[in-house]
Amino acid sequence: QKEVEQDPGPLSVPEGAIVSLNCTYSNSAFQYFMWYRQYSRKGPELLMYTYSSGNKEDGRFTAQVDKSSKYISLFIRDSQPSDSATYLCAMRITGGGNKLTFGTGTQLKVEL
Amino acid sequence: GAVVSQHPSRVICKSGTSVKIECRSLDFQATTMFWYRQFPKQSLMLMATSNEGSKATYEQGVEKDKFLINHASLTLSTLTVTSAHPEDSSFYICSAEPGQGFGYTFGSGTRLTVV
Repeated sequence: QKEVEQDPGPLSVPEGAIVSLNCTYSNSAFQYFMWYRQYSRKGPELLMYTYSSGNKEDGRFTAQVDKSSKYISLFIRDSQPSDSATYLCAMRITGGGNKLTFGTGTQLKVEL
Repeated sequence: GAVVSQHPSRVICKSGTSVKIECRSLDFQATTMFWYRQFPKQSLMLMATSNEGSKATYEQGVEKDKFLINHASLTLSTLTVTSAHPEDSSFYICSAEPGQGFGYTFGSGTRLTVV
């Protein structure tokens, strides 16, 4: 079993839809959670960074962390074609060399 | 915001030659940088952790002599792929953490093609 599980998609939604992306994890020591957006042939871009459980909102993006269920989510409101990309969840424990553990990424396509 | 600059963005080299990839933190100091490899439609695979002033820490299965890492200053880490072969063709990405609570910033990546 992988430490972090993420549905690879592809996920196709119409423009304006609310998108829900999710990851589950098995290591209860994970404390820091991140969501990255990666366009083809580019480096990942940090979208959201959260610590422990709770919600965080930034513009059209909302990140949720439920440590009791070992489940994190990223919601995208009013999705745009420019949101079409691969979304990667990542997490790390406190210390441990500060290494990130990534999900496999979910490919999202927002269609006109 | 914190920026990590990576060069070159794309390189084609002949089999048997060496290629150097640079990763610079432009507006912050990074005592630690991370080097990843990514195959098409796959996630990032951590290759090594680059530590300023000391030896890099390599992940299991990564050849130290093939992937040489040097972190000579607080803003620069380099990855040298030595005696490159076609199977080394991949997308290489570096990252660093600007500070506690800021997440990790990634470079734009280097696409290496060995012919």
